[in-house]
Amino acid sequence: KNEVEQSPQNLTAQEGEFITINCSYSVGISALHWLQQHPGGGIVSLFMLSSGKKKHGRLIATINIQEKHSSLHITASHPRDSAVYICAVKTSYDKVIFGPGTSLSVIP
Amino acid sequence: DGGITQSPKYLFRKEGQNVTLSCEQNLNHDAMYWYRQDPGQGLRLIYYSQIVNDFQKGDIAEGYSVSREKKESFPLTVTSAQKNPTAFYLCASSMPGLYVEAFFGQGTRLTVV
Repeated sequence: KNEVEQSPQNLTAQEGEFITINCSYSVGISALHWLQQHPGGGIVSLFMLSSGKKKHGRLIATINIQEKHSSLHITASHPRDSAVYICAVKTSYDKVIFGPGTSLSVIP
Repeated sequence: DGGITQSPKYLFRKEGQNVTLSCEQNLNHDAMYWYRQDPGQGLRLIYYSQIVNDFQKGDIAEGYSVSREKKESFPLTVTSAQKNPTAFYLCASSMPGLYVEAFFGQGTRLTVV
């Protein structure tokens, strides 16, 4: 069993839909990071969380430390949101573990 | 503009040849990292360096080598000892202690034929 899991693995949505991507982990963490990987391969940082909720534009990230779960929400999805979304955790022993990613395709 | 530059974007090599992937950053970051990405798997750490002239093995260092002679540069050599070298390679950098908030390069796709 992987220490960081994401669901769904693949997601197709119509433009305008509300999207949720989930990340669950089985280790103690000090922080969780949501990353976006563009079709060309480059990765950009979206959020880093250690508790609660963060919002940036149409993106919202939440984390529940007790349940070891985080969600990334995209409101009013757009084709330019099509990418792979990666959850990464920094463990209590200072190691970073990456999830396998969720591939999102938003159709016009 | 500050950032990380990886080159080349695509690389083809014959089996048995060593190949070096370039990674340069102008963010003045002390720490640099090399990751390998395979389909359906999370990024896996190959090597990392927290300071010039020092580097440490990651989870999958076998068949790879690195050097850190300058703060800005952290080249990765994929040697002939690496059993399955075809993959997407990503370089990243960060300030020490803020590992998760790393900045990533655009990646190099290596294909060994």
